[in-house]
Amino acid sequence: SQKIEQNSEALNIQEGKTATLTCNYTNYSPAYLQWYRQDPGRGPVFLLLIRENEKEKRKERLKVTFDTTLKQSLFHITASQPADSATYLCALDKSNTGTASKLTFGTGTRLQVTL
Amino acid sequence: DTAVSQTPKYLVTQMGNDKSIKCEQNLGHDTMYWYKQDSKKFLKIMFSYNNKELIINETVPNRFSPKSPDKAHLNLHINSLELGDSAVYFCASSQDLTSEPQHFGDGTRLSIL
Repeated sequence: SQKIEQNSEALNIQEGKTATLTCNYTNYSPAYLQWYRQDPGRGPVFLLLIRENEKEKRKERLKVTFDTTLKQSLFHITASQPADSATYLCALDKSNTGTASKLTFGTGTRLQVTL
Repeated sequence: DTAVSQTPKYLVTQMGNDKSIKCEQNLGHDTMYWYKQDSKKFLKIMFSYNNKELIINETVPNRFSPKSPDKAHLNLHINSLELGDSAVYFCASSQDLTSEPQHFGDGTRLSIL
């Protein structure tokens, strides 16, 4: 069966360091992969989208890689700040251009950035 | 201005009751979604609508009936509530039904007593 795995344990890092979160998937051929941030009591907020033919995407302090051979995406936050503390969700979509999107979410990794 | 708004934010009710959750988006998007997030924080799609037309129905019990009076609104009515329906329900929207970023509301926490 299809599976999307993210570290279920919280990731604790010190301010200023780079946080790296992992999203692994099996029995899945996603066309797109998205990363979202979710704060307690709030809805997920979109961060980055990467397509299967893209290796890497950047936005300010964020970087996402997508390795379809390893079936893995890595999400990096450089120069992390306490305000980056949240749960980060990866979401896969196997729809191709013109077909209906259906996101399948991982369970998320909680990131805690300490001073 | 809130882009995707849901009401109510909290809903506490007895088993067997019928309840509705409302969702509105002011982004001019064509596609709207309902998701359920359970106690383990697993977020799972329930329905998607595009221009008032049902696109995805993820084998949700027919006690759940979405209704889209126009493309800016997608409401969720739930009949005969069960204990297992306790969860946070999120509404979302996207520009169209292809893989675009989705904008989520802040959720409705449904608790069944």
